Amino acid sequence: AQSVTQLGSHVSVSEGALVLLRCNYSSSVPPYLFWYVQYPNQGLQLLLKYTTGATLVKGINGFEAEFKKSETSFHLTKPSAHMSDAAEYFCAVSVLNSGYSTLTFGKGTMLLVSP
Amino acid sequence: NAGVTQTPKFRVLKTGQSMTLLCAQDMNHEYMYWYRQDPGMGLRLIHYSVGEGTTAKGEVPDGYNVSRLKKQNFLLGLESAAPSQTSVYFCASSYMGTGGSTEAFFGQGTRLTVV
Repeated sequence: AQSVTQLGSHVSVSEGALVLLRCNYSSSVPPYLFWYVQYPNQGLQLLLKYTTGATLVKGINGFEAEFKKSETSFHLTKPSAHMSDAAEYFCAVSVLNSGYSTLTFGKGTMLLVSP
Repeated sequence: NAGVTQTPKFRVLKTGQSMTLLCAQDMNHEYMYWYRQDPGMGLRLIHYSVGEGTTAKGEVPDGYNVSRLKKQNFLLGLESAAPSQTSVYFCASSYMGTGGSTEAFFGQGTRLTVV
Protein backbone atom coordinates (compact mmCIF):
# COMPACT_ATOMS: atom_id res chain seq x y z
CA ALA A 1 0.00 0.00 0.00
CA GLN A 2 1.16 3.49 -0.75
CA SER A 3 1.44 5.99 2.10
CA VAL A 4 2.93 9.32 3.05
CA THR A 5 4.80 10.38 6.20
CA GLN A 6 5.31 14.02 7.05
CA LEU A 7 8.00 14.62 9.64
CA GLY A 8 7.02 17.25 12.17
CA SER A 9 3.46 18.33 12.87
CA HIS A 10 4.68 21.90 13.42
CA VAL A 11 7.61 23.81 11.94
CA SER A 12 8.54 27.30 13.10
CA VAL A 13 10.72 29.68 11.11
CA SER A 14 11.53 33.36 11.17
CA GLU A 15 10.53 35.59 8.31
CA GLY A 16 13.25 35.43 5.66
CA ALA A 17 14.56 32.04 6.78
CA LEU A 18 14.62 28.85 4.75
CA VAL A 19 11.51 26.73 4.83
CA LEU A 20 11.95 22.94 4.74
CA LEU A 21 8.97 20.63 5.13
CA ARG A 22 9.72 16.93 4.97
CA CYS A 23 7.74 14.23 3.21
CA ASN A 24 8.61 10.58 2.69
CA TYR A 25 6.50 8.15 0.75
CA SER A 26 6.22 4.43 0.39
CA SER A 27 5.28 3.09 -2.98
CA SER A 28 5.92 -0.09 -4.89
CA VAL A 29 5.51 1.70 -8.20
CA PRO A 30 6.63 5.12 -9.46
CA PRO A 31 4.50 7.56 -7.51
CA TYR A 32 2.69 10.72 -8.40
CA LEU A 33 3.33 13.20 -5.58
CA PHE A 34 1.65 16.42 -4.59
CA TRP A 35 1.96 19.24 -2.08
CA TYR A 36 -1.19 21.09 -1.07
CA VAL A 37 -1.52 24.17 1.15
CA GLN A 38 -4.45 25.01 3.41
CA TYR A 39 -4.86 28.54 4.69
CA PRO A 40 -7.02 29.05 7.81
CA ASN A 41 -10.68 28.22 7.26
CA GLN A 42 -10.16 27.43 3.60
CA GLY A 43 -9.99 24.41 1.36
CA LEU A 44 -6.82 22.88 -0.03
CA GLN A 45 -4.93 24.47 -2.90
CA LEU A 46 -2.36 22.73 -5.07
CA LEU A 47 1.19 24.04 -4.60
CA LEU A 48 3.01 21.69 -6.95
CA LYS A 49 3.08 18.15 -8.26
CA TYR A 50 5.53 15.56 -9.55
CA THR A 51 4.41 13.14 -12.22
CA THR A 52 7.33 12.27 -14.48
CA GLY A 53 10.37 14.02 -15.91
CA ALA A 54 12.34 16.69 -14.06
CA THR A 55 12.81 15.79 -10.42
CA LEU A 56 12.95 19.41 -9.24
CA VAL A 57 9.44 20.78 -9.39
CA LYS A 58 8.60 24.46 -9.06
CA GLY A 59 5.27 25.56 -7.70
CA ILE A 60 3.38 28.68 -6.79
CA ASN A 61 4.51 31.32 -4.29
CA GLY A 62 8.19 30.45 -4.66
CA PHE A 63 7.94 26.88 -3.36
CA GLU A 64 9.73 23.96 -4.92
CA ALA A 65 10.18 20.27 -4.16
CA GLU A 66 12.66 17.65 -5.26
CA PHE A 67 11.73 14.05 -5.94
CA LYS A 68 14.49 11.75 -4.71
CA LYS A 69 13.73 8.16 -5.55
CA SER A 70 16.74 6.77 -3.69
CA GLU A 71 15.55 8.45 -0.49
CA THR A 72 11.81 8.03 -1.20
CA SER A 73 11.44 11.70 -0.37
CA PHE A 74 9.63 14.73 -1.72
CA HIS A 75 10.63 17.58 0.58
CA LEU A 76 9.14 21.05 0.11
CA THR A 77 11.40 24.11 0.30
CA LYS A 78 11.28 27.87 -0.03
CA PRO A 79 14.44 29.98 0.25
CA SER A 80 12.88 32.84 2.21
CA ALA A 81 9.75 32.57 4.33
CA HIS A 82 7.08 35.24 4.25
CA MET A 83 4.45 35.88 6.88
CA SER A 84 1.80 34.96 4.32
CA ASP A 85 3.26 31.42 4.09
CA ALA A 86 1.84 30.55 7.51
CA ALA A 87 -0.55 27.69 6.77
CA GLU A 88 -0.87 23.92 6.96
CA TYR A 89 0.89 21.92 4.27
CA PHE A 90 -0.06 18.45 3.13
CA CYS A 91 1.97 15.99 1.12
CA ALA A 92 -0.06 13.49 -0.88
CA VAL A 93 0.52 10.48 -3.09
CA SER A 94 -1.78 9.20 -5.79
CA VAL A 95 -2.75 5.60 -5.14
CA LEU A 96 -4.69 3.02 -7.09
CA ASN A 97 -7.96 2.15 -5.38
CA SER A 98 -9.98 -0.63 -7.00
CA GLY A 99 -8.55 0.32 -10.36
CA TYR A 100 -9.01 4.06 -9.92
CA SER A 101 -6.54 6.58 -8.57
CA THR A 102 -7.24 8.66 -5.48
CA LEU A 103 -5.14 10.85 -3.20
CA THR A 104 -3.72 9.65 0.12
CA PHE A 105 -2.61 12.49 2.37
CA GLY A 106 -0.02 12.83 5.06
CA LYS A 107 -1.08 14.16 8.44
CA GLY A 108 0.01 17.68 7.64
CA THR A 109 2.64 20.13 8.86
CA MET A 110 1.66 23.48 10.29
CA LEU A 111 4.13 26.19 9.26
CA LEU A 112 4.46 29.05 11.72
CA VAL A 113 6.29 32.19 10.60
CA SER A 114 7.45 34.73 13.15
CA PRO A 115 8.54 38.30 12.41
CA ASN B 1 -16.52 30.31 -12.14
CA ALA B 2 -17.46 28.85 -8.73
CA GLY B 3 -15.35 25.64 -8.87
CA VAL B 4 -16.39 23.33 -6.04
CA THR B 5 -19.14 24.56 -3.73
CA GLN B 6 -20.15 22.88 -0.49
CA THR B 7 -23.42 23.41 1.36
CA PRO B 8 -23.78 24.09 4.27
CA LYS B 9 -20.60 25.62 5.65
CA PHE B 10 -21.45 24.95 9.29
CA ARG B 11 -23.88 22.62 11.02
CA VAL B 12 -24.58 21.38 14.53
CA LEU B 13 -26.43 18.09 14.87
CA LYS B 14 -27.71 16.15 17.82
CA THR B 15 -26.69 12.52 18.16
CA GLY B 16 -28.96 10.34 16.06
CA GLN B 17 -30.06 13.08 13.67
CA SER B 18 -29.53 12.75 9.96
CA MET B 19 -28.29 15.22 7.39
CA THR B 20 -27.01 15.52 3.86
CA LEU B 21 -23.99 17.52 2.72
CA LEU B 22 -24.14 18.78 -0.84
CA CYS B 23 -21.18 19.23 -3.14
CA ALA B 24 -21.54 20.86 -6.53
CA GLN B 25 -18.87 21.38 -9.19
CA ASP B 26 -19.14 23.35 -12.41
CA MET B 27 -15.98 22.07 -14.13
CA ASN B 28 -17.56 19.02 -15.78
CA HIS B 29 -15.28 16.73 -13.78
CA GLU B 30 -15.84 12.98 -13.81
CA TYR B 31 -14.32 12.23 -10.42
CA MET B 32 -15.61 13.50 -7.09
CA TYR B 33 -14.45 12.76 -3.56
CA TRP B 34 -15.50 13.25 0.04
CA TYR B 35 -12.79 13.59 2.70
CA ARG B 36 -12.91 14.26 6.40
CA GLN B 37 -10.22 16.25 8.18
CA ASP B 38 -9.46 15.71 11.86
CA PRO B 39 -6.64 17.29 13.89
CA GLY B 40 -3.42 15.35 13.51
CA MET B 41 -5.00 12.91 11.06
CA GLY B 42 -4.73 14.74 7.77
CA LEU B 43 -7.47 14.12 5.23
CA ARG B 44 -9.02 10.68 4.96
CA LEU B 45 -11.10 9.52 2.02
CA ILE B 46 -14.69 8.58 2.89
CA HIS B 47 -16.23 7.78 -0.50
CA TYR B 48 -15.57 8.71 -4.07
CA SER B 49 -17.25 8.58 -7.45
CA VAL B 50 -15.75 7.97 -10.87
CA GLY B 51 -18.79 9.08 -12.79
CA GLU B 52 -22.52 9.72 -12.67
CA GLY B 53 -24.33 6.86 -10.97
CA THR B 54 -21.17 5.21 -9.59
CA THR B 55 -19.73 5.39 -6.09
CA ALA B 56 -17.07 3.50 -4.15
CA LYS B 57 -15.82 3.24 -0.59
CA GLY B 58 -12.70 4.96 0.58
CA GLU B 59 -10.63 4.56 3.73
CA VAL B 60 -13.31 5.47 6.33
CA PRO B 61 -16.77 4.79 4.83
CA ASP B 62 -18.63 3.50 7.90
CA GLY B 63 -21.59 5.62 8.97
CA TYR B 64 -21.79 7.48 5.65
CA ASN B 65 -23.64 7.01 2.39
CA VAL B 66 -23.24 8.85 -0.89
CA SER B 67 -25.09 9.37 -4.13
CA ARG B 68 -24.14 10.80 -7.53
CA LEU B 69 -27.38 11.14 -9.44
CA LYS B 70 -26.09 14.05 -11.49
CA LYS B 71 -22.57 14.50 -12.77
CA GLN B 72 -22.14 17.87 -11.10
CA ASN B 73 -23.41 16.86 -7.65
CA PHE B 74 -22.07 14.49 -5.02
CA LEU B 75 -24.08 14.07 -1.82
CA LEU B 76 -22.77 12.78 1.49
CA GLY B 77 -25.35 11.48 3.95
CA LEU B 78 -25.19 10.74 7.65
CA GLU B 79 -28.17 8.56 8.60
CA SER B 80 -27.64 8.63 12.38
CA ALA B 81 -24.99 11.12 13.43
CA ALA B 82 -22.50 10.21 16.17
CA PRO B 83 -20.07 12.45 18.06
CA SER B 84 -17.20 10.62 16.32
CA GLN B 85 -18.42 12.20 13.08
CA THR B 86 -17.59 15.68 14.34
CA SER B 87 -15.13 16.84 11.72
CA VAL B 88 -14.48 19.15 8.81
CA TYR B 89 -15.69 17.63 5.57
CA PHE B 90 -14.13 18.47 2.22
CA CYS B 91 -15.41 17.70 -1.20
CA ALA B 92 -13.07 17.60 -4.18
CA SER B 93 -13.32 16.93 -7.88
CA SER B 94 -10.93 16.10 -10.69
CA TYR B 95 -11.20 15.66 -14.44
CA MET B 96 -9.79 12.16 -14.24
CA GLY B 97 -8.30 10.17 -11.40
CA THR B 98 -5.50 11.86 -9.53
CA GLY B 99 -2.83 9.71 -11.14
CA GLY B 100 -0.71 11.54 -13.63
CA SER B 101 -1.17 15.23 -14.14
CA THR B 102 -4.73 15.48 -12.92
CA GLU B 103 -5.26 18.01 -10.12
CA ALA B 104 -7.97 17.71 -7.50
CA PHE B 105 -9.90 20.90 -6.71
CA PHE B 106 -11.30 21.33 -3.22
CA GLY B 107 -14.31 23.06 -1.76
CA GLN B 108 -14.18 25.35 1.27
CA GLY B 109 -15.27 22.67 3.70
CA THR B 110 -18.23 21.97 5.98
CA ARG B 111 -17.64 22.12 9.71
CA LEU B 112 -19.94 19.60 11.39
CA THR B 113 -20.37 19.25 15.12
CA VAL B 114 -22.36 16.38 16.61
CA VAL B 115 -23.41 16.89 20.22
